[in-house]
Amino acid sequence: AQKVTQAQTEISVVEKEDVTLDCVYETRDTTYYLFWYKQPPSGELVFLIRRNSFDEQNEISGRYSWNFQKSTSSFNFTITASQVVDSAVYFCALSEARDGGSQGNLIFGKGTKLSVKP
Amino acid sequence: GAVVSQHPSWVICKSGTSVKIECRSLDFQATTMFWYRQFPKQSLMLMATSNEGSKATYEQGVEKDKFLINHASLTLSTLTVTSAHPEDSSFYICSAQGLGVYGYTFGSGTRLTVV
Repeated sequence: AQKVTQAQTEISVVEKEDVTLDCVYETRDTTYYLFWYKQPPSGELVFLIRRNSFDEQNEISGRYSWNFQKSTSSFNFTITASQVVDSAVYFCALSEARDGGSQGNLIFGKGTKLSVKP
Repeated sequence: GAVVSQHPSWVICKSGTSVKIECRSLDFQATTMFWYRQFPKQSLMLMATSNEGSKATYEQGVEKDKFLINHASLTLSTLTVTSAHPEDSSFYICSAQGLGVYGYTFGSGTRLTVV
């Protein structure tokens, strides 16, 4: 069965600190996709990144970076020099490939609430 | 980019009434729609998956007669909460997949409060 674990329920940092949000996943499939979403208080989900299981390259986008390690089934997310606007709930999610190349439904972790204080 | 318009953004209804939530794909054809529910301070849980023109597939524990899902066209899917009760109060959000669209496109969510 597929599962996504975000062990950190809440994290509080002071502005400009770096913060890493952990994500560990379980799946039996060899082809799968990993995602990170941001959910601000308004509720909408903001897509941050998608990674497929064959691409273990780490990615950097501005202050955001992601570390994908298949050996430990982890897909961690780091925010460098955090800002108050980064305060939100962050969800890690997993989907598996279906026949025809499409993706199945997203399985979400429980989320990590990040509070960045000025 | 792909957009899914979800309405209403929030709704308050009386116990026993029904509420319809709509998700429209504005610039692509949504072949699959996923409906999620999120209780306060919890994660998003899949309720059902619908493919255009087919009956929805419900997750275990989700009552199909209570949560009616219609996906009759490639641009519109609806979720109707029938005979709503206070315990149905939650955040409902749809997510669409479509031809030529990368990944998932989420609606903005509907906050339902049943009083």
